[in-house]
Amino acid sequence: AQRVTQPEKLLSVFKGAPVELKCNYSYSGSPELFWYVQYSRQRLQLLLRHISRESIKGFTADLNKGETSFHLKKPFAQEEDSAMYYCALSGHVFTGGGNKLTFGTGTQLKVEL
Amino acid sequence: KAGVTQTPRYLIKTRGQQVTLSCSPISGHRSVSWYQQTPGQGLQFLFEYFSETQRNKGNFPGRFSGRQFSNSRSEMNVSTLELGDSALYLCASTVAAINNEQFFGPGTRLTVL
Repeated sequence: AQRVTQPEKLLSVFKGAPVELKCNYSYSGSPELFWYVQYSRQRLQLLLRHISRESIKGFTADLNKGETSFHLKKPFAQEEDSAMYYCALSGHVFTGGGNKLTFGTGTQLKVEL
Repeated sequence: KAGVTQTPRYLIKTRGQQVTLSCSPISGHRSVSWYQQTPGQGLQFLFEYFSETQRNKGNFPGRFSGRQFSNSRSEMNVSTLELGDSALYLCASTVAAINNEQFFGPGTRLTVL
């Protein structure tokens, strides 16, 4: 069974402070990991995915298979980063993953001035 | 391109009734997935359709069903509504067959009284 755990419901940081949103997963095969973000009154949208290895809006995430983690990091938080962040996992195509996403419960990031 | 659209946006039903929700994917997208979002359970995968075939199904009772038409538009149906079916139902579409970025609609807010 696949599972995604986000231990923090709420993370509050000051503007300019580093941010780390934690995500751990459980999956027997080779997962694809994603971070989705939902800004206030906007749709859920993709922030980044591990296979692209990109930095989006200053955020990065590295897949650590040994620790089964995919933490989201940003060195300096901005006020506009305040949003709900969801970590999600998709199984490999050979194990029937398709486009099914298993989401964590989400972490609300609040950046205070 | 126009984004994913869902109709209706809000719906109020009573227990025992049935409901049909509609989703129009982004033009050219062949995969449509449905998710249920509740405060208690978070985002949970319902099912995915690709080229009119259901490829994946989540752990929901048989009262939840769906279909996809030849133009990729999708509908989901919930029969014999229960109070616990009150939720935000999200539809997402993607262009590729596997593990691709999903584009989410605004959701249909279903309230069961």
